[in-house]
Amino acid sequence: NAGVTQTPKFRVLKTGQSMTLLCAQDMNHEYMYWYRQDPGMGLRLIHYSVGEGTTAKGEVPDGYNVSRLKKQNFLLGLESAAPSQTSVYFCASSYPKPQGAQPQHFGDGTRLSIL
Amino acid sequence: KQEVTQIPAALSVPEGENLVLNCSFTDSAIYNLQWFRQDPGKGLTSLLLIQSSQREQTSGRLNASLDKSSGRSTLYIAASQPGDSATYLCAVTGGNQFYFGTGTSLTVIP
Repeated sequence: NAGVTQTPKFRVLKTGQSMTLLCAQDMNHEYMYWYRQDPGMGLRLIHYSVGEGTTAKGEVPDGYNVSRLKKQNFLLGLESAAPSQTSVYFCASSYPKPQGAQPQHFGDGTRLSIL
Repeated sequence: KQEVTQIPAALSVPEGENLVLNCSFTDSAIYNLQWFRQDPGKGLTSLLLIQSSQREQTSGRLNASLDKSSGRSTLYIAASQPGDSATYLCAVTGGNQFYFGTGTSLTVIP
């Protein structure tokens, strides 16, 4: 009963390095989301996907890329990390909305520091 | 752009008190509103989801209300316990996106 699993849990990068954050869900959810959480700013949506092979931009997409090659996985990439991308990253998933939507299920987060 | 505000940012109450957390949003064209709990170092756990056609939802000691016309929701916690200490966030859904408030940090003192 894993739910939403994020790897890694912690990472420290140097400015300019690249990395990929992995999100995996075992609930057969269609929708998946990547958020960042910063002090005093709440959660902000980076990118999301409404199904395998689809992605869309959220509120703060610049500097990030995503891919959804398999339904259960949603990858978030940083091509050239910047200190402004130091944050806690959360992945979430949910069923599609007919009317009224379904609750989102969240992973435990990835704490990323860019030096 | 939808903006979600939660007041107060922090709240401290003695054990056993009933309390109300507030959430306001600027655009009333929402699909639903969701209340989450976040423990330190953890992700978010969904507590209650109110669809746009509903006025309230209840789960145990929790009751959430929604007034779309005024852009407000409240989360009522009855008989608070130290285990209720956490940050509580509300989020509204518009289109395919969720918009989150910055949360209320609740401390229940034994």
